[in-house]
Amino acid sequence: DTAVSQTPKYLVTQMGNDKSIKCEQNLGHDTMYWYKQDSKKFLKIMFSYNNKELIINETVPNRFSPKSPDKAHLNLHINSLELGDSAVYFCASSQGGGNQPQHFGDGTRLSIL
Amino acid sequence: GENVEQHPSTLSVQEGDSAVIKCTYSDSASNYFPWYKQELGKRPQLIIDIRSNVGEKKDQRIAVTLNKTAKHFSLHITETQPEDSAVYFCAPYSSASKIIFGSGTRLSIRP
Repeated sequence: DTAVSQTPKYLVTQMGNDKSIKCEQNLGHDTMYWYKQDSKKFLKIMFSYNNKELIINETVPNRFSPKSPDKAHLNLHINSLELGDSAVYFCASSQGGGNQPQHFGDGTRLSIL
Repeated sequence: GENVEQHPSTLSVQEGDSAVIKCTYSDSASNYFPWYKQELGKRPQLIIDIRSNVGEKKDQRIAVTLNKTAKHFSLHITETQPEDSAVYFCAPYSSASKIIFGSGTRLSIRP
């Protein structure tokens, strides 16, 4: 019954590899987000989609590419992984934009060797 | 764009005492003021929020107060308990600004 679920929970991989993180929400929300939380716990928005359309695209390397096949799913694909990509990535959703409560997934801890 | 500052960065209080965390923002058009709690190894969760037409909101031991003139809002936790130990984030929102979370306050409750 998890409202926002993301997989995998842990991802350990080598530098230079390509990986994907999947996110699904069953709340019927129309907006989904990806956040990056670094080792100092700073939480920064990366992307936001509203009804499958990109509405926020922060200054992140173009190695990061979000894809939203439908409004319940927002996946994150990362090419050519670098050491600095090590972080916890959170997916979130809300009904409406940033002026509504956000519901977060449990996070994906990405570690680059 | 929005500039968000959260103080203090760490806070240690005796169990049963009160804790106050302050969030200052720069965009006067901000109209939504949430607080999120993140326990160790867990996801952030909304604990209380307030909108710009309200000055104060309370939910049991937790309250949020808003001062729009001074552009700050505060989280108040009374009768603190061990389970209040966590990192707390503010995230004031304006449609003209991107979504910005404060840098977080690590609250520790001493037994």
